[in-house]
Amino acid sequence: EVQLVDSGGGLVQPGGSLRLSCAASGFTFSDHWITWVRQAPGKGLEWVAHINQDGSERAYVASVRGRFTISRDNAENSVHLQMSSLRADDTAVYFCTRGHYGLDVWGQGTTVTVSS
Amino acid sequence: DIVVTQSPDSLAVSLGERATINCKSSQSVFSSSNNKNQLAWYQQKPGQPPKLLLYWASTRYSGVPDRFSGSGSGTDFTLTISSLQAEDVAVYYCQQYYNTPRTFGQGTKVEVK
Repeated sequence: EVQLVDSGGGLVQPGGSLRLSCAASGFTFSDHWITWVRQAPGKGLEWVAHINQDGSERAYVASVRGRFTISRDNAENSVHLQMSSLRADDTAVYFCTRGHYGLDVWGQGTTVTVSS
Repeated sequence: DIVVTQSPDSLAVSLGERATINCKSSQSVFSSSNNKNQLAWYQQKPGQPPKLLLYWASTRYSGVPDRFSGSGSGTDFTLTISSLQAEDVAVYYCQQYYNTPRTFGQGTKVEVK
């Protein structure tokens, strides 16, 4: 079964850090771009960052650039989102997704809450 | 950044009737490199991650019922549900992947009248 499993979310204080992980299975991971999308409570979807197949191309939405870093380990079939200097407006469910032209596989999401 | 705007924000349609959602981008998302519109549509039901419905503006993803169709080009696009079923109650999003950040529309909530 093609699957992405997100993990690593939790409660963190403003200014803190968190590392999200996404474990892939059921497909050739190294053939695919991976994207993180987030959804604040009761809000719409926001594209956060993506990384290409070998990690040589990365891009971020402006609001997280310089604070978040996306990386991947093709040997471990995993992607990570290192988040630092977290702010209240980073509070959201974070989804790991597969794809570059349309996001066709989604993880179930991991919740990040930034609050004191 | 490309701004993507959907209309309406919500709509109520009777079962079996047609539902139409519009999506407008602030600049063309048509790519001359592959002659395709770089636009996707997603469906999200409460408590679930989104599901891909259409890509290249009008290509149905595997397993998506043929009552879902997409049209349009350049800056103006439409998602049509030809005959609304109860299981189609959801929020629908369009997304451009012409450039980064790959922005989403704000979503359209579809309910049964």
